[in-house]
Amino acid sequence: DTEVTQTPKHLVMGMTNKKSLKCEQHMGHRAMYWYKQKAKKPPELMFVYSYEKLSINESVPSRFSPECPNSSLLNLHLHALQPEDSALYLCASSQAHRRANEQFFGPGTRLTVL
Amino acid sequence: GESVGLHLPTLSVQEGDNSIINCAYSNSASDYFIWYKQESGKGPQFIIDIRSNMDKRQGQRVTVLLNKTVKHLSLQIAATQPGDSAVYFCAENTPRGGYALNFGKGTSLLVTP
Repeated sequence: DTEVTQTPKHLVMGMTNKKSLKCEQHMGHRAMYWYKQKAKKPPELMFVYSYEKLSINESVPSRFSPECPNSSLLNLHLHALQPEDSALYLCASSQAHRRANEQFFGPGTRLTVL
Repeated sequence: GESVGLHLPTLSVQEGDNSIINCAYSNSASDYFIWYKQESGKGPQFIIDIRSNMDKRQGQRVTVLLNKTVKHLSLQIAATQPGDSAVYFCAENTPRGGYALNFGKGTSLLVTP
């Protein structure tokens, strides 16, 4: 299995809602990532988990809360988002959080905040 | 500022022609580079990678060239097909507080019949 899966594919939420994005991989990868991608822009790193521990937080607002329950799962909890948070949220994984590592990306969750 | 950039935001080629997509980087500590292809509505898909101890790497119909002297890499696609139409990103893996990927702006490749 060489796939990273993400659910849901699309999500529409209001600014007062709480929702979660889910990511799963079964490649035995020990590093997992969240990226945010706006239209016609490159992906921007948000968080990195290495061996289930948060190793990088790219100054992301606290309304985004990541969680890594185990080595195969990565969640992104959303609360009190703003319309400008609407974007494609991509999850990726790699063998380990070190140099020279191909990252495998999921298809993304298209988030719209009303 | 952004470390990885692309010279052309859009590229239009005819089917069957070869395509060349360029990328410049500014961090001399960058030692690993990846090219990704992203089709509309999908996540980035790995195409090919190259380490800084190499100048050239070939895959199926694709070649990546790395020129460390001028901090430039390129992606060459042979016999471009309509299915190659997508946005192409170069990304560098540098020890920027960890080994995360820094993506360039992207080039949109359009293949016309």
